[in-house]
Amino acid sequence: AQTVTQSQPEMSVQEAETVTLSCTYDTSESNYYLFWYKQPPSRQMILVIRQEAYKQQNATENRFSVNFQKAAKSFSLKISDSQLGDTAMYFCAFDNDMRFGAGTRLTVKP
Amino acid sequence: GAVVSQHPSWVICKSGTSVKIECRSLDFQATTMFWYRQFPKQSLMLMATSNEGSKATYEQGVEKDKFLINHASLTLSTLTVTSAHPEDSSFYICSGQGYRGNIHNEQFFGPGTRLTVL
Repeated sequence: AQTVTQSQPEMSVQEAETVTLSCTYDTSESNYYLFWYKQPPSRQMILVIRQEAYKQQNATENRFSVNFQKAAKSFSLKISDSQLGDTAMYFCAFDNDMRFGAGTRLTVKP
Repeated sequence: GAVVSQHPSWVICKSGTSVKIECRSLDFQATTMFWYRQFPKQSLMLMATSNEGSKATYEQGVEKDKFLINHASLTLSTLTVTSAHPEDSSFYICSGQGYRGNIHNEQFFGPGTRLTVL
């Protein structure tokens, strides 16, 4: 089974600054999808960004971007211009069997 | 994104009773549905995967006789917790996966169901 590791249980950032959340994974497969999900206090899971493994270009969605290093099996999420509404749990996920990392609790401070 | 609903959103039951949770994809056909369990301040743990019309595939350690999953149509999956006990109290989340144009592999999550067993 694939494993997904998020080594930062908690992080905080000042509003308007940039923060990077880490994720590493282990797989023997060559083609797969990776996701970052956000879970705010409402507990509704929200897709933040998706990366296809065969695409070398890093995915970007407005203020959210990833640094995908396939050889290193690393998939970090960068949040630029952090907003108070970004405060949430963030989970990295590997799609083929939908394994989630342990999560990182991000707090954006005013 | 596509919408997935769950019902009920919160249920309290007595120990020994059974509880059914419904998961519906409202605007797409979910060929695959997933059921997760989430304990407080923890990650989502995959319980089972179900494909429409087929028996669910359960993850190791999940009792299939206790957590009955039915995926009878492309828009409805149900999870029945049989003979519930206090240790079954948790937050249960479903998700649906299907094809929408050329975007696949994306899961759409329901809002979750909080189960409390007294």
